[in-house]
Amino acid sequence: GAVVSQHPSRVICKSGTSVKIECRSLDFQATTMFWYRQFPKQSLMLMATSNEGSKATYEQGVEKDKFLINHASLTLSTLTVTSAHPEDSSFYICSARVSDRVSETQYFGPGTRLLVL
Amino acid sequence: GQNIDQPTEMTATEGAIVQINCTYQTSGFNGLFWYQQHAGEAPTFLSYNVLDGLEEKGRFSSFLSRSKGYSYLLLKELQMKDSASYLCAVVDSNYQLIWGAGTKLIIKP
Repeated sequence: GAVVSQHPSRVICKSGTSVKIECRSLDFQATTMFWYRQFPKQSLMLMATSNEGSKATYEQGVEKDKFLINHASLTLSTLTVTSAHPEDSSFYICSARVSDRVSETQYFGPGTRLLVL
Repeated sequence: GQNIDQPTEMTATEGAIVQINCTYQTSGFNGLFWYQQHAGEAPTFLSYNVLDGLEEKGRFSSFLSRSKGYSYLLLKELQMKDSASYLCAVVDSNYQLIWGAGTKLIIKP
């Protein structure tokens, strides 16, 4: 299957700093990527849909000025958590959508674990 | 509203068969996914159903009935490594994924 990578896999930062997470589709082009966050023992929660060359679409309750998303190319989307606070500590997962005429599949990145001290 | 229901937790024995059910009520339907997620890791893709019927892939099979808003994931010859959460997700009319809360599967020797 298609491969999606995320970098970094784990990050610890101080409160008030900004953290950038990269999501790359390694062997295919993804016009649409998704960013999720997952708290322990809870389901994935969609944060935003990232479309190449246009502004991201944010889910209700997600602050677009805090979670900056840039989808500059067909293989890269970035999520920047600005002025991170301890409550932003979570598991952030990206996925890339692959569509053909018959079906659609999402391939997930391995996730980035963020710990804000 | 949109809703995906699946059992919170199930227990099964190594070597046995287990069926994890998923029922859904969504605004439109453009397919249903099953994902496996081990603790601390991102989900991995297991299956995608958009037409009614059973699709088999090795030890895992997935079934869909669109008229009943129902799917199940069948796992055969259970192995200890199958202990994980299994997530059901439906693609709605806007091509957004609606996720279930996941079923934690515990495999006992």
